[in-house]
Order: sequence, then structure tokens, then C-alpha cells
Amino acid sequence: DQQVKQNSPSLSVQEGRISILNCDYTNSMFDYFLWYKKYPAEGPTFLISISSIKDKNEDGRFTVFLNKSAKHLSLHIVPSQPGDSAVYFCAAANSGYALNFGKGTSLLVTP
Amino acid sequence: NAGVTQTPKFQVLKTGQSMTLQCAQDMNHEYMSWYRQDPGMGLRLIHYSVGAGITDQGEVPNGYNVSRSTTEDFPLRLLSAAPSQTSVYFCASGAGGLEQYFGPGTRLTVT
Repeated sequence: DQQVKQNSPSLSVQEGRISILNCDYTNSMFDYFLWYKKYPAEGPTFLISISSIKDKNEDGRFTVFLNKSAKHLSLHIVPSQPGDSAVYFCAAANSGYALNFGKGTSLLVTP
Repeated sequence: NAGVTQTPKFQVLKTGQSMTLQCAQDMNHEYMSWYRQDPGMGLRLIHYSVGAGITDQGEVPNGYNVSRSTTEDFPLRLLSAAPSQTSVYFCASGAGGLEQYFGPGTRLTVT
């Protein structure tokens, strides 16, 4: 049973615009959330994280928002660049090291 | 630092054969884990270790064995390969936090 869901398999955005990637989770015990970025034939790379005591975390062009009551988080990329084209995975953990991943959203940023 | 290294990059096995996927990290991380990624799926945890001599099962452990005799190495053994184990395998390591660093992956095909 998928506890972390990314319901949009793909997203296309124009360069310079905002990309918004969404993630929903079902397990209310999750207290730490992460976003990973993955290029083809490479391993995932850590992008940004947020703990359940916060509702926003920002790192440069990347911002993650957490809405605990809705069990929803989103990743905003502003402005989007062609190099951001990749698969983005949302992951969640329950005070431990085991990460539960969503299926990923493939982002394409077009010039 | 080489980070997390995995060997081999590619492997083809026949059903019933056994093999070991190697994983090593040079960051002195206590936590190491193995994930598999199948088409259209997120990463699923196979086994993990929180330190030398300590291992535990993840979401999909059947058909796989692990051991952790040193901090640096965390090999994954396939005991009797099956076509259902055709996948891309990722090893990851992490320190005290939940951010994990992934290796480049091993693409395994079982015929």
C-alpha cells in the first residue's frame, strides 16, 4: 500500500516559470519529508527536506511547503531552468532511517 | 571523497544463479541501505543497517541477504536469482540525519 503518493507522473513548465510538484501521504506518523532529484542512469540526489514541526523550508530556488492537516507537501522551483528537468521523488520517514518514496514526477523545463 | 560506490554497473544473471552486489562508502556514515527501483515505481527499501553488525529488513527483503562487517561496506546478496528481481538497485548511506546519499546504481537483469 503506497503511503507516499505523487499523482502527477509528469509536468511540463516553461523556463523561467514556477514548477510546483505535489506529494500526498497517508501515514500521520511521518515526521520528516525529503525531495530527491534523479537524472537518467544516476542515483537520486538529495534536494531539500522539511521536518513536521515546520511548514516551509527554503533553499535558493527550491521551497518545500508542508500542510500537515491535509497530509500534503509541495516543492516549488522558481525560476525553473532547463537543467531542472529530471524525475523528482518525494520521500517520508517516521523518526527513523527508512524512507518511503513516491513513484516520482518527471519534470520537463522547456526553453 | 568517492561518496557511495556500487559495483557492478550492469549484470545479467540466469534464473537460479547467485551473486553479490557491492556497495562501499567513504564518508564514515553509520547508516546504509539498499533500495530497488522498478519501472513506474518509487524506490523500495530492501534492507538497511544502522551500524556495523546490525541489519534489519525493509519493505521487500525476500530473496536478499545482507551483512555489515565494516562501516564502509554493505553487500547485497541474491541467493537464487528470479526474473522478478530484475531491477535497478541503489545503495545509500547517511549520517545522523535523514538525508541519504545514493550510489549510481546497478542494473540487474535476470533471464
